Amino acid sequence: DIVMTQSPDSLAVSLGERATINCKASQSVLYSSTNKNYLAWYQQKPGQPPKLLISWASTRHFGVPDRVSGSGSGRDFTLTISNLQAEDVAVYYCQQYYATPPAFGQGTRLEIK
Amino acid sequence: EVQLVESGGGLVQPGGSLRLSCEASGFSFSSYSMTWVRQSPGRGLQWVSSIIGSGGGTDYADSVTGRFTTSRDNSKNTLYLQMNDLRAEDTATYYCAKGNNYGGKAYMDVWGKGTTVTVSS
Repeated sequence: DIVMTQSPDSLAVSLGERATINCKASQSVLYSSTNKNYLAWYQQKPGQPPKLLISWASTRHFGVPDRVSGSGSGRDFTLTISNLQAEDVAVYYCQQYYATPPAFGQGTRLEIK
Repeated sequence: EVQLVESGGGLVQPGGSLRLSCEASGFSFSSYSMTWVRQSPGRGLQWVSSIIGSGGGTDYADSVTGRFTTSRDNSKNTLYLQMNDLRAEDTATYYCAKGNNYGGKAYMDVWGKGTTVTVSS
């Protein structure tokens, strides 16, 4: 099974600054036949279900602001949130959908400093 | 508007059974895979099971294999999770989620609000 490990477990960032969350897969999630990384990012605010932010490692979902971006390939991925807003307080999860079982990272809690 | 609404959660004793439902609307239900994901109190997300659009193929997490069964009724736009031999560690909020495609290797682009299952005597 592919194991997803996020870092850090939590971070506090000042309003207007940049937050960076890392995600590492135990094996590559780059599928050679499509040349795509099967990696998604989700945001979960308190008391709410998860919401898709990013698919294919870097494709923003509908309505996600462009200050949210995803990058990386193979085993190493990053979610970057620029110009942090109060509404960004949440737990963020990466997830690989390259292989069954699809696996989530343990989550990263983002707070305002 | 694409919408998923779960129901059927509740309090059940260890060893008991429960069936969750997820009613879908706003999209062509049979064209997409569906997934169950659970979240224990204060914990992260755990994939439970997925089913392809036709219902002809399913996958399960090792922790629920042999106890849980996922099915769908495409005529009713409804996804089900039959849970048997429930254990305390099955206590969680259960979310249904829509896959981005018909079959495997799908991310989850729409989530329901979840239904809570508590296993306790």
